[in-house]
Order: sequence, then structure tokens, then C-alpha cells
Amino acid sequence: GQQVMQIPQYQHVQEGEDFTTYCNSSTTLSNIQWYKQRPGGHPVFLIQLVKSGEVKKQKRLTFQFGEAKKNSSLHITATQTTDVGTYFCAGQAIQGAQKLVFGQGTRLTINP
Amino acid sequence: DARVTQTPRDKVTEMGQEVTMRCQPILGHNTVFWYRQTMMQGLELLAYFRNRAPLDDSGMPKDRFSAEMPDATLATLKIQPSEPRDSAVYFCASGLTGGVTDTQYFGPGTRLTVL
Repeated sequence: GQQVMQIPQYQHVQEGEDFTTYCNSSTTLSNIQWYKQRPGGHPVFLIQLVKSGEVKKQKRLTFQFGEAKKNSSLHITATQTTDVGTYFCAGQAIQGAQKLVFGQGTRLTINP
Repeated sequence: DARVTQTPRDKVTEMGQEVTMRCQPILGHNTVFWYRQTMMQGLELLAYFRNRAPLDDSGMPKDRFSAEMPDATLATLKIQPSEPRDSAVYFCASGLTGGVTDTQYFGPGTRLTVL
């Protein structure tokens, strides 16, 4: 079945450093979504990418969708302590089961 | 502001007991999802409904789990009998337009501990 892998699993950075998490799907995706879960909280939708090669920005966050629509990345510039949490990507395959499959997430911790 | 609500927030029970978790989706949303989150497995989709009809429950152990939507404002997830391996956080999410590619709004979750 469809698999969505995220790397790294964990990332610890100093405040002010950049952070990137990568998402790879075993199948071509129709779209990809990104969610953030704060410690003890619930996933909160950040963004959805639909087009091949799409790049979207939200303040210090940059999201990319690969040309082949099988991978995606989230980059945070100059991290702040408020960025702490687990970042999940979730994608739906173009073919096959019509459901959103979540990656395992990348847990980001920050040293102030 | 509108949000998904879930009850109970925490549940501790003994193995073999029945557990019922409830979810109230955002008013007007017609898609409801149930997820289970554990450290080992991450976020797993258990089941989802559109317009109260079950569309996919392939992620759910059928022998002990059941999910229903008695009406548009209530979704339930039941485990009977519960087992220690069911210990997890169970999230409900709702979506507006009725597809899995829709933005999903998650509830706060029910933390289940089965002793």
C-alpha cells in the first residue's frame, strides 16, 4: 500500500537556525498537506500543495511539492521557540485507496 | 470559533471493558475521520464517514472496533472488549467539502489507557 516517509524523525536546533523536513511517497500524489502538532496538542492544518513544483510560503515557512509529485519539503528559516512541535506531511495517492496517509512526522525541538 | 469536540478527554479502563469515544464535528462539515496516534505507529486512519455514511474502515480492527454516526452532530468510536494494545490517543477530525483531500480539523483527542 501507499507509504509516506518523513526524515528526519527528530531534529534539535539552536534558536535562530534553519530547519528542514522531507517527505517522500511511494506513489505519485494528487496533493500533499502539512500539519503541525504542538506537544500535548492535536494536529493543525498548515497548508496544502496541489501542483507539480509548487512552492508556497507562510512567513518563515516554505513548502515545496516535487516535480514528480512524490516528495515535499518544509523549510523553516530562523527557528523560534514557538516552532517547537511535530510536523506531519500527509498525502493522497492519485491511484488506489482514496485516503490521506500521514508520514511519521518530524519532531522539532529548539534550544533557546 | 468553531472547533471539533471530543469526549472524554482522558479514559482509563481495565482490559475487557467497553470504551465509547464521542466526537462532535464542526457544524456544517460533512466528513468525519477517526485516527489513532501512538509513538510506534504514528497517525493511523481508522475510519471515515461522508454524509454519515461509512466510506472506509479498512484501518480498523473489525472484531473489536466499531464506528458510527447516529446523526450529523455525533460520531462514535467503540471498542469492545478493550485491550492494553488499544492504549493510544484517538483523534476525530472533520472536513467541510467531503473528500480526503479536504483540510481536516482535528479535535483535542481522547487519551485512552487500557490496563
